[in-house]
Order: sequence, then C-alpha cells, then structure tokens
Amino acid sequence: QITLKESGPTLVKPTQTLTLTCTFSGFSLSSSGMGVGWIRQPPGKALEWLAVVYWSDDERYSPSLKTRLTITKYTSKNQVVLTVTNMDPLDTATYYCAQFRGMTTIDYWGQGTLVTVSS
Amino acid sequence: QSALTQPASVSGSPGQSITISCTGTSSDVGGYNLVSWYQQLPGKAPKLIIYTGNKRPSGVSNRFSGSKSGNTASLTISGLQAEDEADYYCSSYTSTSALWLFGGGTKVTVL
Repeated sequence: QITLKESGPTLVKPTQTLTLTCTFSGFSLSSSGMGVGWIRQPPGKALEWLAVVYWSDDERYSPSLKTRLTITKYTSKNQVVLTVTNMDPLDTATYYCAQFRGMTTIDYWGQGTLVTVSS
Repeated sequence: QSALTQPASVSGSPGQSITISCTGTSSDVGGYNLVSWYQQLPGKAPKLIIYTGNKRPSGVSNRFSGSKSGNTASLTISGLQAEDEADYYCSSYTSTSALWLFGGGTKVTVL
C-alpha cells in the first residue's frame, strides 16, 4: 500500500522560509522511473505543480517559482523535503506531496497540509 | 507557461453523459499521449482516474473514459451519478521548461 504524508508548520510569517517534509511508504525512490514532488492549491483555486525529484537525482522546478524552491530527497529515510524561501500571503495554500511515475502521471497523493502565511 | 484550459463548470442529470475538455498546445496535450485526469471530492486530495490519455487505474469505474483530438483532451463521465459531483483537473507533461501543467479545474454538478 502506497502512502504519502506531509508535515511542517501550519503558519509562517511573510519573508520566512517554509520547510515541508513528505514521508512516504510502499515504494522506493531508488526504483527506476520513480519521483516524488509537490503540488499546491490556494483556497478555492486550481492545482499548481511546484517541483519534483526523480530516482536519478534529476530535479525539476516550476519556472515561475524556481528561484525560491529547493527539493531534496533522502532515499534511505523515504523522505523528500521542499523549502520555499521568502514566503508571501499569496503562498497560502494546501501543499500536497505526490508520487510521480516518470513523466507519465501522478499516481498517489498525500492528504495535503494547509500552510497560512500571515503576520 | 499558461495552464491548460478547462471549462469552469459542467452539469448534467443522473444517468446522462457529460464531457470535460482540456485544451493545450502541441508542446503538451497535442504532442504527447500523457494527459491525466484527477477527481477531487470536496475537502479531499485529488485522485487519479485516467492516465496516458485513456487508461484507468485499478478500481476506477469504467464510467470514466478519456480521449484526445489534436490539442484537446476530453474526459467523459457516462451514467452520471450523485457521487460524481466533484472538481476535475487535467494535467499533462510539457516539453517546455515547465515540465508539468495542470488545467484550471472543472466543477461537475449533478442536477
């Protein structure tokens, strides 16, 4: 059974750095084609892909947020960490981590974690 | 990179069929058979219902089907049921630097 779960702060202040951890089970990030990434959804709005890291250490980022994002994998711990710098109230959203099957599809999603940016 | 274009809402009566479109470009939807569709029930995480254009994961009802023509992909829900009321999103691989694109989402209402 494949599961993913996000953890991190629910409230951050403007200009702070957000660090989110995705802990997963049921698969390995060392398996060929496998990836784990992040997608966010502002309240009442659409999904937005942020970043993904693949088994090959290939890291990809959304061009519009590239300068603020860093994704890191810890294969032996079954964890992927996303950092977002210089947080703004517009970054308020539910952040999901998910399993990516190569460039094919996003197979499984975590439950999501709501992050609010406010002073 | 612009998001893929979906209608904001689609509605239908129980038992009817409805179709949701997802329009992109030749760099994404039209260039590859890599469109996926996700169902998001209220307050829940998205769930994969169609991948590589027309394949269903195990356990997904065969009332959901996918197709593509040119730069537009479509999701059809046949025999519409009350439990199908949800938001539906398409996504696609893109050969641009964006890599992954999502549509703006379509709210399906069962009348």
